[in-house]
Amino acid sequence: GQNIDQPTEMTATEGAIVQINCTYQTSGFNGLFWYQQHAGEAPTFLSYNVLDGLEEKGRFSSFLSRSKGYSYLLLKELQMKDSASYLCAVMDSNYQLIWGAGTKLIIKP
Amino acid sequence: GAVVSQHPSWVICKSGTSVKIECRSLDFQATTMFWYRQFPKQSLMLMATSNEGSKATYEQGVEKDKFLINHASLTLSTLTVTSAHPEDSSFYICSARGEGGGDTEAFFGQGTRLTVV
Repeated sequence: GQNIDQPTEMTATEGAIVQINCTYQTSGFNGLFWYQQHAGEAPTFLSYNVLDGLEEKGRFSSFLSRSKGYSYLLLKELQMKDSASYLCAVMDSNYQLIWGAGTKLIIKP
Repeated sequence: GAVVSQHPSWVICKSGTSVKIECRSLDFQATTMFWYRQFPKQSLMLMATSNEGSKATYEQGVEKDKFLINHASLTLSTLTVTSAHPEDSSFYICSARGEGGGDTEAFFGQGTRLTVV
């Protein structure tokens, strides 16, 4: 079957760095997405990776290794507003999005 | 987690026809549903938010007469693309949120790939 695995919850300190991992097993691959979702709000797009390597965008970076079925989202200089759920999603060969359950990130002062 | 089922997974239709996409929450009551559109290699774009029993709230630039949203029950919302044109070809995805208001997370459907020829 197809599945996406990511940790349920993580805790980090304001100003620190945190890495959220995502492993996937899907039938085909047409890209991996990371989304941020604050409680009660619609998710917002963070990044898209389709080739191996690191994509950097400000404080957020996303890495992909297709051979390992692995991605991570790296958040630097954490701020309290970064407290949210982070969703990993893979688009399979049928262009369907397979979603992870999300990682709830708690930032402490 | 909760399950949201979206149907169909993919559809091809002729220009000028209408297409209906269904989004069902299978094991919870969805008080709010979100409809998104996603073009290749781009982010999800929120089209509208619908609350059960009331009219949907559309995002700026989304034609309400073209994208009809019905959320008549707590387990079903539909998006109808009327008089579809090739530029409407896209990936449409719904997400559903249950009771609890702001603290309840939303769960996503599998998406529907629409191709208008």
